[in-house]
Formats: sequence, C-alpha cells, structure tokens
Amino acid sequence: SQQGEEDPQALSIQEGENATMNCSYKTSINNLQWYRQNSGRGLVHLILIRSNEREKHSGRLRVTLDTSKKSSSLLITASRAADTASYFCATDFNDYKLSFGAGTTVTVRA
Amino acid sequence: ETGVTQTPRHLVMGMTNKKSLKCEQHLGHNAMYWYKQSAKKPLELMFVYNFKEQTENNSVPSRFSPECPNSSHLFLHLHTLQPEDSALYLCASSQGGATGELFFGEGSRLTVL
Repeated sequence: SQQGEEDPQALSIQEGENATMNCSYKTSINNLQWYRQNSGRGLVHLILIRSNEREKHSGRLRVTLDTSKKSSSLLITASRAADTASYFCATDFNDYKLSFGAGTTVTVRA
Repeated sequence: ETGVTQTPRHLVMGMTNKKSLKCEQHLGHNAMYWYKQSAKKPLELMFVYNFKEQTENNSVPSRFSPECPNSSHLFLHLHTLQPEDSALYLCASSQGGATGELFFGEGSRLTVL
C-alpha cells in the first residue's frame, strides 16, 4: 500500500516542549503533505514538501523529507494547548490520489 | 470559515433508509473527493471527480453512489447501509489534484443503526 504510516500513534507533551512525529511510506512520491485535525473537525493543510526538497519551515513547524529512507518528520516547536490535535501525513499515489495514514494524536498538557 | 461546506453535519439512519450527503465548494477547484474516516484507521479514499468526471472509484460498495452535477457540488447517496458504514465522511476539493493542497469540509458524522 502507498499510504503513509505515522509514528508514534499518540504523543503527550508539556506545553512549551517540542513534539516530533514521523511518517514512513513505501513507494516513490512527488510530494508529501502534513495535515492537522482537531477533534470531530475536518483536516487542515499544514505544509507540503516536494520530493526534491529536504527541509521546509512554516512558523513553528519544521518538516524534513528523506527520500532515500522514504520517511518524513514533523516537528512542532514550543507547543501550545491549541496544538492538541491529530496529525496526518499524506503521499500522492497518482495525480488524483492522496493517501493518508492513521495519524498521530498529540496532547499538549498545560 | 471553510471554503468547503458539508451537510448534514450529523446523520442517523436505519439500514433500510435512503439518504444523501452534500458537499459544496466555493473555491473554484476542479477536483472533489469523498473520504471515509473510521476510528484509528487511515482515511480511506472513496471517490475522486475531476472536472465532473469520476477518475477514481476505490472499490467502494455499490450502496454508496456518488454524483457530481458540476465542479462545485458533490453528493454521496446512501442506501441499505450496514452498521460498519458508520464513520465520518469527509469531502475535499483541490486545484490540480494530489499535487497540491486539499481543502476539507467539516465532515458528516454518519451513524447507521
């Protein structure tokens, strides 16, 4: 299966700490995306990294991509209570098929 | 406020009912998607429409029937569903398919009794 797989499944951290989650996938990709989902809501796009990029930043988010290992990581720095959510990686299977993993649930404790 | 609107947000139906989920996007995108989200499972891509034409049908049972009358509207018609079909159904749209960002609606929470 093409879909990404996030690790860990769940993560609990103290406010102010950094949170790191990983995504592994099986076949070559054009791009990899990260999304966030608050409980019971739709997914919100966070960041897209193309296969020829190694690192990308957006605010407190840092994404890396290692195509040789078929893996990506999402780092959230200086976490806040509002970062409590599930985080998903998604890989493009073909031009119109974006495949998602089961997500990492992040809980930020005050 | 999301540019993708889904109705209803919650739906409870019996196994013999017929109902429909509606999705509308106000973003001028050319592609629309239905995903199914069950607890602790990866999102499952169900259907993809590009310029109103269906480009993906991910082996979805025939009790789910999609309809895309134009690039802005997408429906999922439901009939004789099973309890295991209870899930959050998410609609999304994009410009340029999977090469770009997907914009999701808030989802329709379906419970089949």
